[in-house]
Amino acid sequence: GAGVSQSPSNKVTEKGKDVELRCDPISGHTALYWYRQSLGQGLEFLIYFQGNSAPDKSGLPSDRFSAERTGGSVSTLTIQRTQQEDSAVYLCASSAFVGTVHSPLHFGNGTRLTVT
Amino acid sequence: ILNVEQSPQSLHVQEGDSTNFTCSFPSSNFYALHWYRWETAKSPEALFVMTLNGDEKKKGRISATLNTKEGYSYLYIKGSQPEDSATYLCAFRSTGNQFYFGTGTSLTVIP
Repeated sequence: GAGVSQSPSNKVTEKGKDVELRCDPISGHTALYWYRQSLGQGLEFLIYFQGNSAPDKSGLPSDRFSAERTGGSVSTLTIQRTQQEDSAVYLCASSAFVGTVHSPLHFGNGTRLTVT
Repeated sequence: ILNVEQSPQSLHVQEGDSTNFTCSFPSSNFYALHWYRWETAKSPEALFVMTLNGDEKKKGRISATLNTKEGYSYLYIKGSQPEDSATYLCAFRSTGNQFYFGTGTSLTVIP
């Protein structure tokens, strides 16, 4: 079956513009996570969805960042008024029913965002 | 935010050498410990998911151990090959279903 799909794979945008990043998880995976990796840094947690609800939004760096998930499937991460410090690789991961202790995360290939 | 630390940050070994890395994590609110391999231009792939103190997992030349009481896990690679070159990430899964990643160990295997 298909893995986690992210689009676009690359995005170059001007400072101040809004961007939308999309994640299509593995079918049936109820848990969905967004991370980002800035240059030289580790994976930084952004937000976690269980179904359509987000029990943990604590990682969103500012109110310019928002995310939603519809139908328990596709998720979009929106960054408004982008800044240069938003440049990073944004990774999405999904996992089977969250109560299954041995479920690993399945990652997409990421979206490389460059803000000029 | 929980602190997950990995060491060393990077490692260069000769082909055929054996090597190991460390992941340390909090011993409270523990649910599982994950290891991932992240090759350049690819997405991270799961290696192991460990849950019980004393767990040992093995996949080919790679193995891992887990000590939840003292909060550490070791990843071992026996007879390193150039294709083992990657960044190895560990992730602490909390009882709140949050995953906290270390910054990774970058392994380069020199032919």
